[in-house]
Amino acid sequence: QKEVEQDPGPLSVPEGAIVSLNCTYSNSAFQYFMWYRQYSRKGPELLMYTYSSGNKEDGRFTAQVDKSSKYISLFIRDSQPSDSATYLCAMKGNSGYALNFGKGTSLLVTP
Amino acid sequence: GAVVSQHPSRVICKSGTSVKIECRSLDFQATTMFWYRQFPKQSLMLMATSNEGSKATYEQGVEKDKFLINHASLTLSTLTVTSAHPEDSSFYICSGGWGNTEAFFGQGTRLTVV
Repeated sequence: QKEVEQDPGPLSVPEGAIVSLNCTYSNSAFQYFMWYRQYSRKGPELLMYTYSSGNKEDGRFTAQVDKSSKYISLFIRDSQPSDSATYLCAMKGNSGYALNFGKGTSLLVTP
Repeated sequence: GAVVSQHPSRVICKSGTSVKIECRSLDFQATTMFWYRQFPKQSLMLMATSNEGSKATYEQGVEKDKFLINHASLTLSTLTVTSAHPEDSSFYICSGGWGNTEAFFGQGTRLTVV
């Protein structure tokens, strides 16, 4: 079993929809959780960074962490075609900062 | 967020030649940089961890003699693919950070070996 599981999709939604992206993990040592957006043939871009259970909001994006269930989510409100990309969850423990990535979920927002 | 600049963005080389990829942290000092490889529709695979002033630590299955990593300063790490072959064609990405701060990624380098 991989330490980080993420459904690769693809996920297709109409413009304006609320998107929910999720990852589960098995290593309870993970303390820091990130969501990255990656456009085709580009490096990942950091969207959200959290380290505690609960919600963190930034504009149209909300990151949610449930450490007791080992489950994290990223919600995108009022989705736009420009949100079409691959979304990667990543997480790490306290020692060092090598990231453990999910496979990434491919999202397509149609006009 | 912090900026990591990676060059070149694309390179095509002949089989048997070597290619150098540079990764620079522009506005912070990266004591550690990471090098990843990504195949189409796959996630990032960590190749090696590069520590300034010391030898890189390679992940299992990554040939250290083929993928030479140098981290001579706090702002520059390089990855050299030696004697490249078509199977080395991939998307290579570096990242840098400090302490427990989130990792910032370069733009990636698409290597094609013909």
